[in-house]
Amino acid sequence: EVQLVESGGGLVQPGGSLRLSCAASGFTFSNYWMSWVRQAPGKGLEWVANIGEDGSEKYYVDSVRGRFTISRDNAKNSLYLQMNSLRAEDTAVYYCARDTYRFFDYWGQGTLVTVSS
Amino acid sequence: EIVMTQSPATLSVSPGERATLSCRASQSVSSNLAWYQQKSGQAPRFLIYGASIRATGIPARFSGSGSGTEFTLTISSLQSEDFAVYYCQQYNNWPLTFGGGTKVE
Repeated sequence: EVQLVESGGGLVQPGGSLRLSCAASGFTFSNYWMSWVRQAPGKGLEWVANIGEDGSEKYYVDSVRGRFTISRDNAKNSLYLQMNSLRAEDTAVYYCARDTYRFFDYWGQGTLVTVSS
Repeated sequence: EIVMTQSPATLSVSPGERATLSCRASQSVSSNLAWYQQKSGQAPRFLIYGASIRATGIPARFSGSGSGTEFTLTISSLQSEDFAVYYCQQYNNWPLTFGGGTKVE
């Protein structure tokens, strides 16, 4: 059974940093692209970033490029999102998702990031 | 950026009725269109890819159609567990973008 479990969310002040993690199991992690997708409170879904199987390819939505960094550790079956210079508009539930040719067939339950003073 | 527009924002239907949801792309996405279902407080669930191909385990009452800029998700006979928000997503161009969602109530 495919499982994705996010962690690392919490309350952070504007301008601060946070690192999200996603632990994957139930599939061969190194064979798949992975993505982060976020959802602001009461709003729709927004793709944030994705990363190729070996970590050499990475793509970002414009609003986070230069502030967020996606990475992975295939030995640990883990996906990460380093978020710097956080803004109020980054407040959202962040989902880790398995990325199969740029659509998302499995999702974690999400971790809430709140940016507020 | 390709803008995805879903209509209606809210669809009121009764159990057993047919529900038809629309998704329009601001430019052609070919058949690179996926649909997701999200229930309150839960993660999205993958339903359809390639505009019309059901994901594993998705009931046959869910069907997708369309190509280019116009797409439809049809639920042939609504069950109680189908009341949720539905999102379309294009994966033809970067950045990957979602529609704003249709709430089926």
